[in-house]
Amino acid sequence: GAVVSQHPSRVICKSGTSVKIECRSLDFQATTMFWYRQFPKQSLMLMATSNEGSKATYEQGVEKDKFLINHASLTLSTLTVTSAHPEDSSFYICSATGLAGGSSYEQYFGPGTRLTVT
Amino acid sequence: KNEVEQSPQNLTAQEGEFITINCSYSVGISALHWLQQHPGGGIVSLFMLSSGKKKHGRLIATINIQEKHSSLHITASHPRDSAVYICAVRSGATNKLIFGTGTLLAVQP
Repeated sequence: GAVVSQHPSRVICKSGTSVKIECRSLDFQATTMFWYRQFPKQSLMLMATSNEGSKATYEQGVEKDKFLINHASLTLSTLTVTSAHPEDSSFYICSATGLAGGSSYEQYFGPGTRLTVT
Repeated sequence: KNEVEQSPQNLTAQEGEFITINCSYSVGISALHWLQQHPGGGIVSLFMLSSGKKKHGRLIATINIQEKHSSLHITASHPRDSAVYICAVRSGATNKLIFGTGTLLAVQP
């Protein structure tokens, strides 16, 4: 099946620094990418949706200046957490939709990035 | 009331047992996904359904659009099936996924 990768898988950073998380679709062109956040023992919360070449659409309550999303190509989207604080510590998951395997527009999930801000 | 409800929330089974996880939803959908999340956090998409039934190995997923209900079945369960199983529906109105709260499955040897 189609593969979505994320890098890094785990990152620890100091408060006030910025962290960039990459999401790549490895064998298909991702027309749309989604960024989710997951707190312990909770379900995924959609942060933003991005289409290649367009500005991301953020969900209500998500600060677009804090969580910068760039969908530079049909295979790469990045999420930058700017001026990170301990409350930004979370599990971030990207997901992509696109035509993979010539069948249907299914949504594929990355393995996630665990961010810890100290 | 959540738009996507799963039951049970927690399930413990003995190896070899037949397992059923249920999902009910209250919104119009274009598709329903069953996802698996292991303790490490990575999510694997098991099925995407818009009607009927799909089978992959020991996993079977069914959906009844009229009743707004889906089930995930695991036959001959194995400890490696232990994970959180998440039902997610794609809203017909917004095209976004709405997630259930997940079912934590533990299969004991």
